[in-house]
Formats: sequence, structure tokens, C-alpha cells
Amino acid sequence: DAGVIQSPRHEVTEMGQEVTLRCKPISGHNSLFWYRQTMMRGLELLIYFNNNVPIDDSGMPEDRFSAKMPNASFSTLKIQPSEPRDSAVYFCASRPNTYEQYFGPGTRLTVT
Amino acid sequence: EDKVVQSPLSLVVHEGDTVTLNCSYEVTNFRSLLWYKQEKKAPTFLFMLTSSGIEKKSGRLSSILDKKELFSILNITATQTGDSAVYLCAVVPSGNTPLVFGKGTRLSVIA
Repeated sequence: DAGVIQSPRHEVTEMGQEVTLRCKPISGHNSLFWYRQTMMRGLELLIYFNNNVPIDDSGMPEDRFSAKMPNASFSTLKIQPSEPRDSAVYFCASRPNTYEQYFGPGTRLTVT
Repeated sequence: EDKVVQSPLSLVVHEGDTVTLNCSYEVTNFRSLLWYKQEKKAPTFLFMLTSSGIEKKSGRLSSILDKKELFSILNITATQTGDSAVYLCAVVPSGNTPLVFGKGTRLSVIA
């Protein structure tokens, strides 16, 4: 298995632009998680899905952030409009019915 | 509120030393505790512990869980520079809920 796949790996954009991050979970995993990691705040959970249904989005910082999971093999995290304080590494992770959670390689986002 | 606390926050040792990393937790309906290693990229899974007193071992790394005292330790013997990383502890509170992560311990192994 290729593991969790994320794209792009790096994104540099200007303030005010829309950013879309993509994730393909491991096949057969029924939970998907979006995290943000910074030096200051560590690893923060933004939103998670069980069986493609959003369960808890209380970690999404503002209405500028939205996430979708249209099917079991694809999810997006969108930031519109982006701001410099959104600069971070964004991880997607997936998990089967057990508790072992596997992370993707992350997307390093820089908003100038 | 569910909470995971790791100590120390950072640690510098010499190659060959043995280190012990600590993780304590307060969660409702505890299910499992997981350890991850994070170098310059994504966290990679090390161990999952569900039962007290049973040591999990992988090479020079080992871990054990104490569900009565609500903590776990991760031991690394004969450390190498390649062990330098942030070690994250996380717990599963219940069912399909997300992991609750600690802030991590940054380990630096110097030659």
C-alpha cells in the first residue's frame, strides 16, 4: 500500500488566495483526520470524518477553513482566503477500525 | 477535558546512553495509548499499548503502560544519532474518537 497520499507537498501562496490541500487515505480505512502543526502550537486536530461523514469540526479555526470528503478515497481541506498565520504543515491521517493511525507526508503551506 | 502530558519537553544525550520518556494521561474511557516518532516529516507509528504491564519491544525501543497510575514510558537503549526526533504520545479516549496528543519530547542524540 502506498500509505496516505497528500498533495501538494509544498505550497507557497499570497495572502488572500484560495488554497486547496488534498488527501487520499489508505484503502479500507474508515476514519480520516486533518491536523495542523506549528512550532508554537504543536499538532492540532482540525476536523475528522468517519465513513465520509464529518463528525467534529470544532478544531477548524475559522469559517475560512472548510473540509469535504466526497467519497472514501478522497478529502480536501480548503482555506479561502488564506492569511500568513495559516502557514503551517497540514497533515492528513487515516485509521481503520483499530486505533493505529497513519499520517501522510504533510503539506507545508507558506502564505506570504 | 482529556489531557496527555509528556516529559521532559526536550532532552540531549550522548550516543550510547539510555533514555526514558514519560507520558501521563487523563482521559475518559481509555482505550489505547500510542507512541509515534517524528523526524523532519510525518509522525511514524511505533507502538500501541492497551494492557497494563505488557512490554512492547522493537529493537532498542520498548514501552510499557500502567493503567492504574495512568502513564506510559518509552525506553531507548544504546541511543544513536538516528534516534534524534520528537517522540509523541497519544491516547484513544473511546470508540472512533480522535487521538489526544501530548506536546512531544524532543530528543537530541549527539555523537
